[in-house]
Amino acid sequence: EAQVTQNPRYLITVTGKKLTVTCSQNMNHEYMSWYRQDPGLGLRQIYYSMNVEVTDKGDVPEGYKVSRKEKRNFPLILESPSPNQTSLYFCASTPRGPVSGANVLTFGAGSRLTVL
Amino acid sequence: AQKVTQAQTEISVVEKEDVTLDCVYETRDTTYYLFWYKQPPSGELVFLIRRNSFDEQNEISGRYSWNFQKSTSSFNFTITASQVVDSAVYFCALSVLMDTGRRALTFGSGTRLQVQP
Repeated sequence: EAQVTQNPRYLITVTGKKLTVTCSQNMNHEYMSWYRQDPGLGLRQIYYSMNVEVTDKGDVPEGYKVSRKEKRNFPLILESPSPNQTSLYFCASTPRGPVSGANVLTFGAGSRLTVL
Repeated sequence: AQKVTQAQTEISVVEKEDVTLDCVYETRDTTYYLFWYKQPPSGELVFLIRRNSFDEQNEISGRYSWNFQKSTSSFNFTITASQVVDSAVYFCALSVLMDTGRRALTFGSGTRLQVQP
């Protein structure tokens, strides 16, 4: 089944404790992206990657890191989480990113993160 | 800058009522795409429709229909004869290709639809 898989789905952590949210897709998509969803703000892009070893900032990158060493994986790293990073996170992918804005994103199921 | 406004934060209707979710967008680009996504209580995001800026034809899919009007920069979504299973948060989104090559997808803040039995 074609899908984007995120782990963990739920996580409660404490301020300053490094964590990684993994994202993996099995569709050979070039483009991957991370979003956070907050009440009243919709989804905002954190980082995106147009291909292996190519990543760039989205609208709200502060406090996050990403890497794209393999095409299928795009982990989101919180080096020192803070309470304002409590949110619902989505990973998404699409076949090609920059060529057209038409591609439909396939989203993962979401990861709910709480930072105490 | 791109912007998507969904002014209706929450709508509550009774089953079988028709309901329209509003979406107003802003962009200076002439080529762009508009999307609607559904987020049911389970939390996943489900793609509903994509429309490009050159295609103003309205679309109907079962009980769902979309009205795209460039003159008013609106892309409204109507559910006819609503059902309890339609209860969800609905997001409108705008996609443009920026000069940097970045594909910017801007989401509205969402409209929560509650359909009462």
